[in-house]
Amino acid sequence: SAVISQKPSRDICQRGTSLTIQCQVDSQVTMMFWYRQQPGQSLTLIATANQGSEATYESGFVIDKFPISRPNLTFSTLTVSNLSPEDSSIYLCSAGGVGSYEQYFGPGTRLTVT
Amino acid sequence: LAKTTQPISMDSYEGQEVNITCSHNNIATNDYITWYQQFPSQGPRFIIQGYKTKVTNEVASLFIPADRKSSTLSLPRVSLSDTAVYYCLVGDIATNAGKSTFGDGTTLTVKP
Repeated sequence: SAVISQKPSRDICQRGTSLTIQCQVDSQVTMMFWYRQQPGQSLTLIATANQGSEATYESGFVIDKFPISRPNLTFSTLTVSNLSPEDSSIYLCSAGGVGSYEQYFGPGTRLTVT
Repeated sequence: LAKTTQPISMDSYEGQEVNITCSHNNIATNDYITWYQQFPSQGPRFIIQGYKTKVTNEVASLFIPADRKSSTLSLPRVSLSDTAVYYCLVGDIATNAGKSTFGDGTTLTVKP
């Protein structure tokens, strides 16, 4: 298993600014993912964070808006850029290993844009 | 892309067995079925995963018929602490997370 921490746990940001969310895993993992979850709704995959290369984005999500870094096998960041109220959501990091169908999730970061 | 359908909500009482069914008519040959549990203000937590027939662990059982177009998560003797949202996920997450889709989730409420 893996334990995942996220920072910050919550933040209130002004429109037009950016927020960077950090995700730390307590062990080396092959795969890391970023999800968005609107209150009361299911999870939507934003992108797969690839170690040492550009992230793989899902339809509807672009690098300019959601730049992602993954410098090593235990750490990743997601930046939500040029914030608007529509970006208010919970952002979750998850991790898994190749050949494993189990994902471990962080506690999430609650973002409110005013 | 396999779409999943689950009941929006279910109610149960402590000590009862709860069965939550997920429909996934377009499941692909390489897809696995995974169930997650999510409490408020927490990330989802893995419960069980299977490919076909029946899988059982210390928490739950997963029943998958031969055609794999549906699956049923069975929670034996639920308690108040099992009140949560349960998500069915279908996909080949190990090789292609982008093709794995979380369902809308089933909110299970366990009453005393």
